[in-house]
This record gives sequence, C-alpha cells and structure tokens, in this order.
Amino acid sequence: EDQVTQSPEALRLQEGESSSLNCSYTVSGLRGLFWYRQDPGKGPEFLFTLYSAGEEKEKERLKATLTKKESFLHITAPKPEDSATYLCAVHPGGSSNTGKLIFGQGTTLQVKP
Amino acid sequence: EAQVTQNPRYLITVTGKKLTVTCSQNMNHEYMSWYRQDPGLGLRQIYYSMNVEVTDKGDVPEGYKVSRKEKRNFPLILESPSPNQTSLYFCASSSTPRGNQPQHFGDGTRLSIL
Repeated sequence: EDQVTQSPEALRLQEGESSSLNCSYTVSGLRGLFWYRQDPGKGPEFLFTLYSAGEEKEKERLKATLTKKESFLHITAPKPEDSATYLCAVHPGGSSNTGKLIFGQGTTLQVKP
Repeated sequence: EAQVTQNPRYLITVTGKKLTVTCSQNMNHEYMSWYRQDPGLGLRQIYYSMNVEVTDKGDVPEGYKVSRKEKRNFPLILESPSPNQTSLYFCASSSTPRGNQPQHFGDGTRLSIL
C-alpha cells in the first residue's frame, strides 16, 4: 500500500537553530515528491518538486533533498516567519496511470525569536 | 491573478440536507482535485479529474459525488451529509492531466454537519 510518513509531528526551534524535517515514502514508483507549506486558515502553498533520487532544490532558507526512500526539508537559520505546517506529498507511478496524490500528516514547525 | 476559488468558505448544516461546494479555477488547468483535512489524518484525496467528463476516486470517496462539465469548475456534492463529513475541504488544480505538476489550492471550506 502506498504510504507517506512525516516526522516529527511537531518541532520547536529557536530562531537561527537549523534542523531537518523528514518524509519517508513507500510507493509503487515515484512520479514526483512535493513539499508544501500551510499557514493556519489557508490552503497549502507549493514549495518544491523533486522527481529523482539525488535531486536537490533550494529556496531562501529551505533546501529539499530526495533519496529512493525519503526526502528531507532542511531549514537553515530559521526565522519566526518560517513557522507553519510543512506537508509532503507523493505522486505514485507504477503501472496505473492515475492522478492520485498521497499526503503525509505534516510537521508543524514553531520558530521562537 | 491565478487562483482557485471555493464557495462557501464556511457552512453549518444538518444531517441529510444536500449541499454543494463549488470550486473554480482561472488557470485553464486540466487537473482538479478535492481533499479533506482532519486533525491527525492529514490531507486525504476524495476525487480527482484529469479532464472534462473524466473523474476518478481518491482514497476517501464514500458519501461524495463530483462532476466536471466544464474545464474551470469542479463542484463537490454531498447528497446526504452525515456528521462524519464534518471537515475542512480543499480544492486544487494542476496544469497537467495527471496532476504531477505543483497543485494550486483554494483557501478551504469548513463544513460542520450537525
């Protein structure tokens, strides 16, 4: 069964304290792995797409990496405005040509000044 | 401005009273999808559509219906709502038919079914 697991569920950091969020997946093939940011009362906002193992993407203080089993979202020197819930989602491939997207449960990040 | 618009944003209703949540996108996207978000369960896909008149089930389709008569609209229909459908609902769209490009999300519809 296709599955996406994120850890930790919640993370509290001091401003400037770097850390990583994990997204582990088991799917039949991978057509894409997505990272989204969700602020309270809002819909998810796209951050990155990764398609193959070894790929990396960067944006400001965020860097996403991908292996064959997991993805990491590294946050370098975070600021309070980085506080949000970060969602990982996987578009499975395999033999079926579907439009399914499977989300993890998210990691809620709080950055204190 | 590129956007996905959902209506209503909030709704409190009673068991069994049919309701429709509308979703419209202005980006000419092929793919549209509905999700529900519940505490501890994350976002779960209800239905998706890869093109006009093409719809398919996600992971939690029971109790829901959809239709895609026009490219820009993808309404979610609850014919006989029940309390276990109380949730936060999101509509999303993507430029490719299978949705393997970034999805653009609406701001959500909070449904309470008493």
